[in-house]
Amino acid sequence: GEDVEQSLFLSVREGDSSVINCTYTDSSSTYLYWYKQEPGAGLQLLTYIFSNMDMKQDQRLTVLLNKKDKHLSLRIADTQTGDSAIYFCAEREGSYIPTFGRGTSLIVHP
Amino acid sequence: KAGVTQTPRYLIKTRGQQVTLSCSPISGHRSVSWYQQTPGQGLQFLFEYFSETQRNKGNFPGRFSGRQFSNSRSEMNVSTLELGDSALYLCASSLAQGSSPLHFGNGTRLTVT
Repeated sequence: GEDVEQSLFLSVREGDSSVINCTYTDSSSTYLYWYKQEPGAGLQLLTYIFSNMDMKQDQRLTVLLNKKDKHLSLRIADTQTGDSAIYFCAEREGSYIPTFGRGTSLIVHP
Repeated sequence: KAGVTQTPRYLIKTRGQQVTLSCSPISGHRSVSWYQQTPGQGLQFLFEYFSETQRNKGNFPGRFSGRQFSNSRSEMNVSTLELGDSALYLCASSLAQGSSPLHFGNGTRLTVT
């Protein structure tokens, strides 16, 4: 099956940019998603991109897709303490079961 | 529009008991998926339902079952509970099966003692 890999931790200072990285293995047409999970809550959909796109921007969030390297990144500009959470990358091809990464814990220091 | 609603939020059960968890999808969403989340295993897919039919199934024992009703609401059942079933159970809904993004509820925290 497909594999989605993420680094486990990222620590940044408040006001800096955060970049969370993800690699995936599926080579077909696929949707790629970013979710945020705060303590005690479910996964909140942040943004998603189709595999024929290179970039998507939504306010402080920028998603970059490198199809050749199968590398996806989520950039959070002007990171705030409220951005501290676990961020999940996921991919889904058609009606196949989505594959989620293990999540990256983002810690924002004041 | 109301989000995905899961009930109850917390459950404590003892080994050998059974449990039923409920999920109400976002209005208009016809697909419902269930996931188990644990610190050790991450997010594990349980099953996906669309139009009252199970479309995909994860690698869980037969003690885990589910169903979807005509109003798209879904329930999952776990029988003969084991300590290892302690987890956060997440339900997600989407407009249709396939590429529509999943929208998750806040989960049911199940503790088995």
